[in-house]
Amino acid sequence: GQQLNQSPQSMFIQEGEDVSMNCTSSSIFNTWLWYKQDPGEGPVLLIALYKAGELTSNGRLTAQFGITRKDSFLNISASIPSDVGIYFCAGGRVSSNTGKLIFGQGTTLQVKP
Amino acid sequence: DAGVIQSPRHEVTEMGQEVTLRCKPISGHNSLFWYRQTMMRGLELLIYFNNNVPIDDSGMPEDRFSAKMPNASFSTLKIQPSEPRDSAVYFCASSYPGFDNQPQHFGDGTRLSIL
Repeated sequence: GQQLNQSPQSMFIQEGEDVSMNCTSSSIFNTWLWYKQDPGEGPVLLIALYKAGELTSNGRLTAQFGITRKDSFLNISASIPSDVGIYFCAGGRVSSNTGKLIFGQGTTLQVKP
Repeated sequence: DAGVIQSPRHEVTEMGQEVTLRCKPISGHNSLFWYRQTMMRGLELLIYFNNNVPIDDSGMPEDRFSAKMPNASFSTLKIQPSEPRDSAVYFCASSYPGFDNQPQHFGDGTRLSIL
C-alpha cells in the first residue's frame, strides 16, 4: 500500500540544539502536513503545506514542501524540553476529495535539559 | 470552538465483551476517520466516512470490528467480541476537505485495554 518513509525514527538531543526530520514517498502528494503528538493526547497540527516548494514557519518550526512533491522536511530550531513528543508527517491528495491522509511512522523526539 | 470529542477516554474490559467507542466530529466537518495506534504498528487508518457514507473500510482488521455514522455529528466504532490484541489507543479525526484539502483534526483518543 501507500507509504511514507519518515526519518529518523527517534532522536535524543540536548536542549538548544536544532532538529531536522523528513518524509519521502514514491508517490506525489498535493498536501504535506506535520503533526505533533504529546503523551496521552491526539496528534495536533503544526504546519500545513499546499504548494510545491513552499516554505512555511510557525515560531521555531520550519517546514518545506519538496519541489518533486514527493518529500517534505521539518526543522525545529533551539529545541526546548516541551518539544518532546512524536512528530508525524502526512501526505494528502486533493483528487481524493475525502481528506484521506497517508501518515509516516513518526519521529520520537527526546530533549535533554 | 469544540474540537473532536471522543468517549470514553479510557476503557478496561474483559475479553469477549462488546466495546463501543464514540466520536463527535467538529461541527461542519463532513469527513470522519477512525485510527488505531500501537507501538508495533504505529497509526493505522481503520475506516473513514464522507458525508456519513463509509468510503473505505479496508483497514478494519476483522469482522469483529464495525463502524457506523448515523448522522453528521456522531460515529461509533464497535468491537464484538473483543480480544486482548485489540488493546490500543483509538483516535477519531474529522476534516472538511472541500476543494483545498483542509487538514484533519484529532480527538484525544480512547485508550482501550482488553484483559
